[in-house]
Amino acid sequence: DIQMTQSPSSVSASVGDRVTITCRASQGISRYLAWYQQKPGKAPKLLIFAASSLESGVPSRFSGSGSGTDFTLTISSLQPEDFATYYCQQADSFPFTFGPGTKVDVK
Amino acid sequence: EVNLLESGGGLVQPGGSLRLSCAASGFTLSSYAMSWVRQAPGKGLEWVSALGPSGDDTYYAGSVRGRFTISRDISKNTLYLQMNSLRAGDTAVYYCAQVCRNNWNYGLCNWGQGTLVTVSS
Repeated sequence: DIQMTQSPSSVSASVGDRVTITCRASQGISRYLAWYQQKPGKAPKLLIFAASSLESGVPSRFSGSGSGTDFTLTISSLQPEDFATYYCQQADSFPFTFGPGTKVDVK
Repeated sequence: EVNLLESGGGLVQPGGSLRLSCAASGFTLSSYAMSWVRQAPGKGLEWVSALGPSGDDTYYAGSVRGRFTISRDISKNTLYLQMNSLRAGDTAVYYCAQVCRNNWNYGLCNWGQGTLVTVSS
């Protein structure tokens, strides 16, 4: 199985900050990487698919990059509604796997 | 509008069985690939299983293979997850989700609200 890691596990930030989260796969997954946002008690929400494609309706302050084994999610200017936990997921081969998550909280 | 509504969760004893349902609306299950994802209390997301649009291709996480079965009823437009030999470690909120653009490589773009399964004596 492909193992996914994320760093940092948590980050404290302020509104307006630029936030970058890293995701690494244990083997190459081309660009088959998705990013999700989850708020407490809610289902995850897809932000980015295919490493850098923005899902419809997602604000442009979210962006993704990377290929192979190393990927990043960037929030260019953090907004109050962005405090949440973020997960990456490899969609290259079964069984699909998620990263452990990165919690973005208030500094 | 796509809507997914899970049901069937509850309290079950270790070794017991449970069948989860995911009623879909706004699209036809026979045309889309679907997945189940779970989240243990206070923990991260774990991909569980997937079913291809043909209904013939199924995929499972190693932790549930041989115990869980994914299926669907086209006439009811409903996805199922039959869970047998349940263990305490299966305790989680279970979400069903639609595969984006019917392409396995594009992630999961529509999710239900989840149903809680608790395995305890």
